[in-house]
Amino acid sequence: DTEVTQTPKHLVMGMTNKKSLKCEQHMGHRAMYWYKQKAKKPPELMFVYSYEKLSINESVPSRFSPECPNSSLLNLHLHALQPEDSALYLCASSQDLGGGETQYFGPGTRLLVL
Amino acid sequence: GDSVTQMEGPVTLSEEAFLTINCTYTATGYPSLFWYVQYPGEGLQLLLKATKADDKGSNKGFEATYRKETTSFHLEKGSVQVSDSAVYFCALRPSGYSTLTFGKGTMLLVSP
Repeated sequence: DTEVTQTPKHLVMGMTNKKSLKCEQHMGHRAMYWYKQKAKKPPELMFVYSYEKLSINESVPSRFSPECPNSSLLNLHLHALQPEDSALYLCASSQDLGGGETQYFGPGTRLLVL
Repeated sequence: GDSVTQMEGPVTLSEEAFLTINCTYTATGYPSLFWYVQYPGEGLQLLLKATKADDKGSNKGFEATYRKETTSFHLEKGSVQVSDSAVYFCALRPSGYSTLTFGKGTMLLVSP
C-alpha cells in the first residue's frame, strides 16, 4: 500500500481565517513533505520533515506553519493567507531522506483564498 | 545546479499512436530519475523510476531508460489510450539528497 491521504479535498477561506490541512500515511515512512502547486506548474517544495523534525524550510512565509505531531501525521496550519496563496497543496512521504528514495504523493487539497 | 528539461506541450495524439515525451537532465553524480503523472484535478502518481544508468523503468505500458551518456530519460508508450490524457512530470533526485527537481511538465491529450 502506497497511499497518502489528505483532508480536506477542497478548502475556501477568507484572509482572516485560520485553517489546517492534514496529511496521513501508514507506510512507516519517516520523511514527509509539503508542496505547493500553481496551475500548469510543477510542484514547489515548501517543507521537509525527517523523523518528526523540520529538516528543510524553503523560505516559506510565516503565515504557513507546519507541524508533525507523530511519524504518520503532518499538518499545515494556515493563517492570514493572501489570494495568491490559492493553489493545490500536496503532501508526500518517503522511506527516509536518502538519495534515490521514492516520494509518494497524496491527492492534494485545493485551496481558494478569498 | 540540477535541472530537468522536458519537451513543451501539449502533445496531441490519436488513440493507439506511439508516444515519446523527451526528458533531459543536468546533475552531478548519479541521480535517481522519475516520471510522475497527474490526471486532471488529482495529485501526482509515481509512474516509473530508475536509480542507475541503463536501468529501465516500466509500468502500465510506459517505459523509460536511464541514459547517462545522453543524460536522458525519455518516456515512451507503444499505444496510447484516451485515459492516458494527463500531465507528465519528469523529475530527478540527486544522490544523497532529499529533494526532487521537477521539469515543467508535458500535457498529453489523446483523442478517440
